[in-house]
Amino acid sequence: QSALTQPRSVSGSPGQSVTISCTGTSSDVGAYNYVSWYQQHPGKAPKLVIYDVTKRPSGVPDRFSGSKSGNTASLTISGLQAEDEADYHCCSYAGSYNLLFGGGTKLTVL
Amino acid sequence: QVQLVQSGAEVRKPGSSVKVSCKTSRGSFSRFPLIWVRQAPGQGLEWMGGIIPIFGAVNYAQKFQGRVTITADESTTTSYMDLRSLRSEDTAVYYCARDRRPSDYGDYEAFDIWGQGTMVTVS
Repeated sequence: QSALTQPRSVSGSPGQSVTISCTGTSSDVGAYNYVSWYQQHPGKAPKLVIYDVTKRPSGVPDRFSGSKSGNTASLTISGLQAEDEADYHCCSYAGSYNLLFGGGTKLTVL
Repeated sequence: QVQLVQSGAEVRKPGSSVKVSCKTSRGSFSRFPLIWVRQAPGQGLEWMGGIIPIFGAVNYAQKFQGRVTITADESTTTSYMDLRSLRSEDTAVYYCARDRRPSDYGDYEAFDIWGQGTMVTVS
C-alpha cells in the first residue's frame, strides 16, 4: 500500500485560509470515514486536530475543519495564526487493522 | 490524564536489534488499540503496526513483516516494539500512540494520545 498523497508545502498570511489535500484510493480514504489529521510542531509529538473526517477533539479551535470528497480528504484552517505554522499529516484507516499516513505538509504562515 | 511514556534514546549498529517500550499511565490499557509509528529525519509519519492488548491481536505493515514484533504486557501496562536487522534507513524517531476509542468497534479510529518519541540511531 502506498502512502497517501499530500502537497509538500502550503502557505498563507495571517487571517487567511489554507486547505491541505490528502489523496488516497477507494480502498482507504474513499472506503472509510476514518480520516484523521495531526499537527506537529518541530521536535514535538503529533497532535490530533481532526478525526472521523470532520470532527474536532475538545480544545481544538473551530478554525480547523475537515471534509472529504471521493478519495480525497481536506483540512482547512481559517483565520490563520502564527501558531498554526507546523507540519500536518493525514491518516486513513485501510481495513483489517491497517493504517496509511500521508507524507506530511509543511504549513508556513507568511 | 492518560499518558504514554517511552524509553530513552538508543544507538545501535547495523544488523543489530532494538526494543522500545511504551508505558501507559493513569488510564485504561487493555481495551484500546495501540500503534507504533516512525518518522525518519525530515520525513512523514509511517505506520509500523499495532496491537489490541486485551486480545493480543497484532497487525503489521507489510513493509515491516518479519522484522518487527509488537507485544503488550497487561500486568505492567507496557507495549514493546522490537525491530531487528537494523540498517541506517531505520534511523528515526519512534512513537507509540493510543486510539481514542476502545477496540469494541473492530477497527482503528484516530489517535489522541502519543508518547514523547524515542530516537533510534543506527550507525
